[in-house]
Amino acid sequence: KAGVTQTPRYLIKTRGQQVTLSCSPISGHRSVSWYQQTPGQGLQFLFEYFSETQRNKGNFPGRFSGRQFSNSRSEMNVSTLELGDSALYLCASSLAPGSNEQFFGPGTRLTVL
Amino acid sequence: QQQVKQSPQSLIVQKGGISIINCAYENTAFDYFPWYQQFPGKGPALLIAIRPDVSEKKEGRFTISFNKSAKQFSLHIMDSQPGDSATYFCAAVLNTGKLIFGQGTTLQVKP
Repeated sequence: KAGVTQTPRYLIKTRGQQVTLSCSPISGHRSVSWYQQTPGQGLQFLFEYFSETQRNKGNFPGRFSGRQFSNSRSEMNVSTLELGDSALYLCASSLAPGSNEQFFGPGTRLTVL
Repeated sequence: QQQVKQSPQSLIVQKGGISIINCAYENTAFDYFPWYQQFPGKGPALLIAIRPDVSEKKEGRFTISFNKSAKQFSLHIMDSQPGDSATYFCAAVLNTGKLIFGQGTTLQVKP
């Protein structure tokens, strides 16, 4: 069974640009969550999607947004990039909302110059 | 309070020794406590988890001890091996499914 896949794995952008990251969950998993990982702040929850609807949202500015498609694949978008957005962005999938076990992808390393 | 406090930040253990990582929480709405292991360049991988109605869970060399009254839980790695060198995150799951992570502990096991 294939794991969670994230594309691209690495990305370099400049300040002010926007970026879209993609996540394909494990087959059969319908809930997708996104996390930001930085050395200073650790792993922070961004948002969770289920059935194409955002169920939970973390404390991030509106520049961070996401969506989920009918096949459960998810994308997150960051607009007007700032230097502080440089981080590893992780996607996790689970069978359903409230499912305790989340399985993480390898992440997308975003560098903002 | 939705924080999970983890200590120590880093840990060096000799091969064969016991590694102990501690976590504490305040929110009683947490109802599941997983530990994740992360190697460089990889995403976190679920290692072992416990529910608050259980005081201890063991899987191979990994044991979680849970103290509900003190709102503390810990990970013990017995017979630590160099291959265990990684970053370990404790976490707590709210009854909504939201996952809150501790700050992480970087473990180095010396041969």
